[in-house]
Amino acid sequence: TQLLEQSPQFLSIQEGENLTVYCNSSSVFSSLQWYRQEPGEGPVLLVTVVTGGEVKKLKRLTFQFGDARKDSSLHITAAQTGDTGLYLCAGTNFGNEKLTFGTGTRLTIIP
Amino acid sequence: DSGVTQTPKHLITATGQRVTLRCSPRSGDLSVYWYQQSLDQGLQFLIQYYNGEERAKGNILERFSAQQFPDLHSELNLSSLELGDSALYFCASSVWGRGEDIQYFGAGTRLSVL
Repeated sequence: TQLLEQSPQFLSIQEGENLTVYCNSSSVFSSLQWYRQEPGEGPVLLVTVVTGGEVKKLKRLTFQFGDARKDSSLHITAAQTGDTGLYLCAGTNFGNEKLTFGTGTRLTIIP
Repeated sequence: DSGVTQTPKHLITATGQRVTLRCSPRSGDLSVYWYQQSLDQGLQFLIQYYNGEERAKGNILERFSAQQFPDLHSELNLSSLELGDSALYFCASSVWGRGEDIQYFGAGTRLSVL
């Protein structure tokens, strides 16, 4: 069974600070996705990374896929209250349609 | 709005009962996925259908079953319910059902088993 461990599990920081969330596995994934889920809603896809070492930027969010395709990170610069939510990483593997979700990081940005 | 519709939003029932959750995928999407989200287990993949056929199976209990109909909507049937089945159940859809496809999630059905 492939597992994706996210850290930290909970994070509460002041508006304007920077933060990094990690997603780690002992298994190799062909691609990794990051989702954000808000209360009462389903997860919404933020980004997909497919190449080892790949870095993608989405405004203040920077996503990185590890060289060995076993880990990923999400860095948020100058956090805003609208960034509050549950962040989930999810991995897929070649020829396998199912997504394996990480354990989640619950982020709270304090105004 | 993701375009994926799940009904009902909330469901309260008793142990031993049976319930049916319904999902209408985004227009044009052929594949439907079901997930269970609980506090201690996170988001777990249950089962996937593509154009009416089962394509992949995850951690789905034998008491649970699903199907996808010719109009592509899907139903998840949960029977002999136990307290531990209380969770959020999400449906997602994608165009081709491949691993790299974007999955669009509905808002979920919150099931409470009392």
